[in-house]
Amino acid sequence: GQQVMQIPQYQHVQEGEDFTTYCNSSTTLSNIQWYKQRPGGHPVFLIQLVKSGEVKKQKRLTFQFGEAKKNSSLHITATQTTDVGTYFCAGYTGRRALTFGSGTRLQVQP
Amino acid sequence: DAGVTQSPTHLIKTRGQHVTLRCSPISGHKSVSWYQQVLGQGPQFIFQYYEKEERGRGNFPDRFSARQFPNYSSELNVNALLLGDSALYLCASSLEGGGNQPQHFGDGTRLSIL
Repeated sequence: GQQVMQIPQYQHVQEGEDFTTYCNSSTTLSNIQWYKQRPGGHPVFLIQLVKSGEVKKQKRLTFQFGEAKKNSSLHITATQTTDVGTYFCAGYTGRRALTFGSGTRLQVQP
Repeated sequence: DAGVTQSPTHLIKTRGQHVTLRCSPISGHKSVSWYQQVLGQGPQFIFQYYEKEERGRGNFPDRFSARQFPNYSSELNVNALLLGDSALYLCASSLEGGGNQPQHFGDGTRLSIL
């Protein structure tokens, strides 16, 4: 079945440093979504990417969808303590439903 | 507008019992999906319902069942509970069915099996 892998599992950065998490799917995706889950909270939708090679920005966050539509990345510039949480990618192949990755937990040291 | 609401927030059961979890979607949303999230992992898809019909089922045993009501609220039922069913159960609603819809999650029901 479809698998979605995320690396790294955990990253600890100093406030102001950049952060990147990578997402890889075993199959070609129709679209990919990104979510953020704060400690003790629920996943919150951030963005959806649909087109091959698509790049979207939300303030300090930059999301990319690979040319082959099998990988994606989330880059945060100049992290802040409010960025703390676990970031999940979720891929959709056009069948069944979303498959979530295992997440990357981000810790930001003030 | 209210977000997705789930009840109860916490539940403790023993092995062999059954449980019913409830979810009310955002007003206007016609699709509800259920996910199981074990600590340290991403949400695992269990079911999706759209317009009261099952549109997708994940790799969960038949002990798991769900339904959607005419008002689009939903119930997840789990029979013959096992220790491994301990998890956070998340409900998410979306305007329509399919995996290309942003999922709006509730706060979840934390189920503990003793």
